[in-house]
Amino acid sequence: DQQVKQNSPSLSVQEGRISILNCDYTNSMFDYFLWYKKYPAEGPTFLISISSIKDKNEDGRFTVFLNKSAKHLSLHIVPSQPGDSAVYFCAASALQGGSEKLVFGKGTKLTVNP
Amino acid sequence: DTEVTQTPKHLVMGMTNKKSLKCEQHMGHRAMYWYKQKAKKPPELMFVYSYEKLSINESVPSRFSPECPNSSLLNLHLHALQPEDSALYLCASSQWQGYEQYFGPGTRLTVT
Repeated sequence: DQQVKQNSPSLSVQEGRISILNCDYTNSMFDYFLWYKKYPAEGPTFLISISSIKDKNEDGRFTVFLNKSAKHLSLHIVPSQPGDSAVYFCAASALQGGSEKLVFGKGTKLTVNP
Repeated sequence: DTEVTQTPKHLVMGMTNKKSLKCEQHMGHRAMYWYKQKAKKPPELMFVYSYEKLSINESVPSRFSPECPNSSLLNLHLHALQPEDSALYLCASSQWQGYEQYFGPGTRLTVT
């Protein structure tokens, strides 16, 4: 049972344009969402998070949007740079439910072409 | 300092060997985690320590034995592993459980 879904295994974008990575979740107990970026043979790097009491969080070129009614979140990268090419994982946890676990999606491989 | 360090970076071991993976953080985080990651898959949680006590064991085989000697250190003792245990082993820490976790670079383990 996949509680966090990233339905696009890959995405290719031109440098300077916007990258939009999508994530859907099924567990309504999830109240904290995170995005991680991972290069090959390295550990995931935390990018940005959002609590369910918000619908948007911005940090530099990265913005995460949360639509609770649709159980959907997205990560926008503007402008995209070749160094952004990596696998992006969406993750969720249920803090109010006392869950210590992060549930990860399967990842989306982003390629930013120069 | 948001660094989690892991040693060794690479490890090759036979099925009869005993080895240990080490993880260290100096961010004052009170939760530490071990994950296993296979190629093209998301990280898979193995163990969670909270305040140096084992909080979660995700039904991991007993050939993997975690240890948390103090709030900054986390070990994973390996014994009698199988070739299918070959993977990237990631350590992570967070201020408290469930919040953003900071990952180390991982140990690439190969079991021959």
